[in-house]
Amino acid sequence: GQNIDQPTEMTATEGAIVQINCTYQTSGFNGLFWYQQHAGEAPTFLSYNVLDGLEEKGRFSSFLSRSKGYSYLLLKELQMKDSASYLCAVPVGAGNMLTFGGGTRLMVKP
Amino acid sequence: DAEITQSPRHKITETGRQVTLACHQTWNHNNMFWYRQDLGHGLRLIHYSYGVQDTNKGEVSDGYSVSRSNTEDLPLTLESAASSQTSVYFCASSPGGNEQFFGPGTRLTVL
Repeated sequence: GQNIDQPTEMTATEGAIVQINCTYQTSGFNGLFWYQQHAGEAPTFLSYNVLDGLEEKGRFSSFLSRSKGYSYLLLKELQMKDSASYLCAVPVGAGNMLTFGGGTRLMVKP
Repeated sequence: DAEITQSPRHKITETGRQVTLACHQTWNHNNMFWYRQDLGHGLRLIHYSYGVQDTNKGEVSDGYSVSRSNTEDLPLTLESAASSQTSVYFCASSPGGNEQFFGPGTRLTVL
């Protein structure tokens, strides 16, 4: 089975850096996704890691360690618009299903 | 532009009624999914389909059914709505590979 853990809530200051962690346990591993979801809206794709290491995409970076079952999303130069929930997800089985963590609600304060 | 839409966006119904939520995508994706999202539970998979006439149960399928008669649509039916099915429902599609594209969601309230 799959088990995914993320902190429920985090608070950070505008302009700062924040790291959102995700730990997972899966019977197989086919990569890890991060999605962003603003309140009342649909989740939107942020990143996909399948190999170990850090992948940078503008102000957002995602890190994966397969041996540790661990990933994090790093947000730099925080902006107020980054206030959202961040969902960690892993594919399950041989198909295209995703299992999601509960999400981390990030609040960015001035 | 290709897109994925859901209707209605908001629905209030009564316990025991049958309800159908529509999902339509114009990307020609084979894979489609239904999730529900509740506080404290994140997104949970209800049903999914890998193509026409294919449907499969997800983690929380009890009380729900889907049908796939064409590539574009995967309607979700609540056979007899219960208060426990009050939730936000998201439809998603995928071309293969794992990235999924989500619809705007339907907020369902069962009184």
